[in-house]
Amino acid sequence: DQQVKQNSPSLSVQEGRISILNCDYTNSMFDYFLWYKKYPAEGPTFLISISSIKDKNEDGRFTVFLNKSAKHLSLHIVPSQPGDSAVYFCAAMAGTASKLTFGTGTRLQVTL
Amino acid sequence: DGGITQSPKYLFRKEGQNVTLSCEQNLNHDAMYWYRQDPGQGLRLIYYSQIVNDFQKGDIAEGYSVSREKKESFPLTVTSAQKNPTAFYLCASSRDRQNSPLHFGNGTRLTVT
Repeated sequence: DQQVKQNSPSLSVQEGRISILNCDYTNSMFDYFLWYKKYPAEGPTFLISISSIKDKNEDGRFTVFLNKSAKHLSLHIVPSQPGDSAVYFCAAMAGTASKLTFGTGTRLQVTL
Repeated sequence: DGGITQSPKYLFRKEGQNVTLSCEQNLNHDAMYWYRQDPGQGLRLIYYSQIVNDFQKGDIAEGYSVSREKKESFPLTVTSAQKNPTAFYLCASSRDRQNSPLHFGNGTRLTVT
């Protein structure tokens, strides 16, 4: 039972354009959502998060949007850079449980 | 520098042997976690601990054991009962308060033959 889903295993975007990574969830108890970036053979690095009381959070080139009614969130990266090429994981947390549930990841490739 | 240290980076074992993966953090975080990553399956939670001397099973705890004798350390033992132990293992820690992101180590790649 995959409670957090990333339906696109890969995405290719040209340098300078916008990258949009999508994530859907099924558990209505989730109230905190995070995006992580991961390079091969390394641990995931925290990128940005959003609480369920908000619908948008922005940090530099990264913006996360949350649509609670659709149980959908997205990560926008603009402008995309070659160094953004990595696997991006969406994750969600419920209340004070503190443990994260992860999606299966989307591999982003930013081409020149 | 504060962070999470996992050692070793690569580990090789024969089938039937138990093996212990090390995880140490100097972030003064209360909570620690072990995740496993397999191709195409994202990260799955094995065990987590919110306080010293206490831990809970995650989604895939069978064949694994942990201990939390010190706040800084959360070793994971992969036992011979784990049917598919070859994987990339990730340790993480957090402040264990609401809306606190997890911070990860760089992982241990375990190969069992």
